[in-house]
Amino acid sequence: EAAVTQSPRNKVTVTGGNVTLSCRQTNSHNYMYWYRQDTGHGLRLIHYSYGAGNLQIGDVPDGYKATRTTQEDFFLLLELASPSQTSLYFCASSDAPGGRGEQYFGPGTRLTVL
Amino acid sequence: QQQVRQSPQSLTVWEGGTTVLTCSYEDSTFNYFPWYQQFPGEGPALLISILSVSDKKEDGRFTTFFNKREKKLSLHIIDSQPGDSATYFCAASNTNTGKLTFGDGTVLTVKP
Repeated sequence: EAAVTQSPRNKVTVTGGNVTLSCRQTNSHNYMYWYRQDTGHGLRLIHYSYGAGNLQIGDVPDGYKATRTTQEDFFLLLELASPSQTSLYFCASSDAPGGRGEQYFGPGTRLTVL
Repeated sequence: QQQVRQSPQSLTVWEGGTTVLTCSYEDSTFNYFPWYQQFPGEGPALLISILSVSDKKEDGRFTTFFNKREKKLSLHIIDSQPGDSATYFCAASNTNTGKLTFGDGTVLTVKP
């Protein structure tokens, strides 16, 4: 069964703080995604990747950087966190592009920026 | 501009009843339409999906319908159960691109 893990599960930081969210998948999937989920907005794509070293810009990338260090690991970086980035963040992986493959989601990281 | 619109935002049905969720989309190049189910405290999980070459797909109590001319899709749940209480997201993409566009979700409550 597909396995996507995220850490930390909860994070509180202050405005201007530096935050890194981690995602690891053990499915040997090439494609990985970072989403944020907010009430009334569903899931919005921040960044995604086709493989190690590759990065694609999603629909709401402002204020976020991402890095795919290996096939398994995908990181989301908030270098100057703002209260508007308070949200529930999900990582997902798939074995085909988002247009064709089932996406397997992690359990989420709840981030609060004070 | 929101490319995938979902309705209703929330819905309550009685156990045994039929649930109908609907979505509409803008981009005529979209040709893949999955529905994801999310329980509280968990990530979404794929429930059922349909390609634009089909107009209907069934999986047990769940059926999704697709209308290409009207750019609409729907999810029907027959014999709804309290265990179906969850948030449901429709999504859409072009199979040639790398990303899905999600609707805002419908919170379904099934009362016993």
